[in-house]
Amino acid sequence: SAVISQKPSRDICQRGTSLTIQCQVDSQVTMMFWYRQQPGQSLTLIATANQGSEATYESGFVIDKFPISRPNLTFSTLTVSNMSPEDSSIYLCSVGDVAYEQYFGPGTRLTVT
Amino acid sequence: RKEVEQDPGPFNVPEGATVAFNCTYSNSASQSFFWYRQDCRKEPKLLMSVYSSGNEDGRFTAQLNRASQYISLLIRDSKLSDSATYLCVCKGGGADGLTFGKGTHLIIQP
Repeated sequence: SAVISQKPSRDICQRGTSLTIQCQVDSQVTMMFWYRQQPGQSLTLIATANQGSEATYESGFVIDKFPISRPNLTFSTLTVSNMSPEDSSIYLCSVGDVAYEQYFGPGTRLTVT
Repeated sequence: RKEVEQDPGPFNVPEGATVAFNCTYSNSASQSFFWYRQDCRKEPKLLMSVYSSGNEDGRFTAQLNRASQYISLLIRDSKLSDSATYLCVCKGGGADGLTFGKGTHLIIQP
């Protein structure tokens, strides 16, 4: 499976600011996704990152709050905008293969104060 | 609404015992099914895919019942290292992302 890295691994941010999270894969992948895991909860899909076009967002998530870029087949970014304490969470990127199995990056642990 | 339901546990099981987890899903259009394992403060890792005919990987056996919309995971001869949260996961058709259950917490006791 692909090797996935995320930066930063963790951050503490003040409310009202924005943070951009990077996801880098060591090989070209067709499908990339962004998930959120809030404390004590399971994972929730935020959006599918589409190469060369706008991301596809799940219900409850909007582009203005979570803008996503995917400039090529190995890299994507997720920005958490105008943060509030409710955005404190772990953000994970994942990549998918033709068998629809997905593999996750190590996550970015975000705390908003 | 797409939902995947699991018993959160915790399941406290003695080492060497057999343990089974169940999961139900509400989206009848789901086409692919998986079990993931998540250790504390780590990302989920794929344990196994679940095929219609069932599948086995060493001590782990997964079963799918489409009629009842039910998935199971059986762990035989449990090891201390099996302690983790087990996530039941479904995927719809096309390029949909994954829908995760909240996980079943397993504790293997020496």
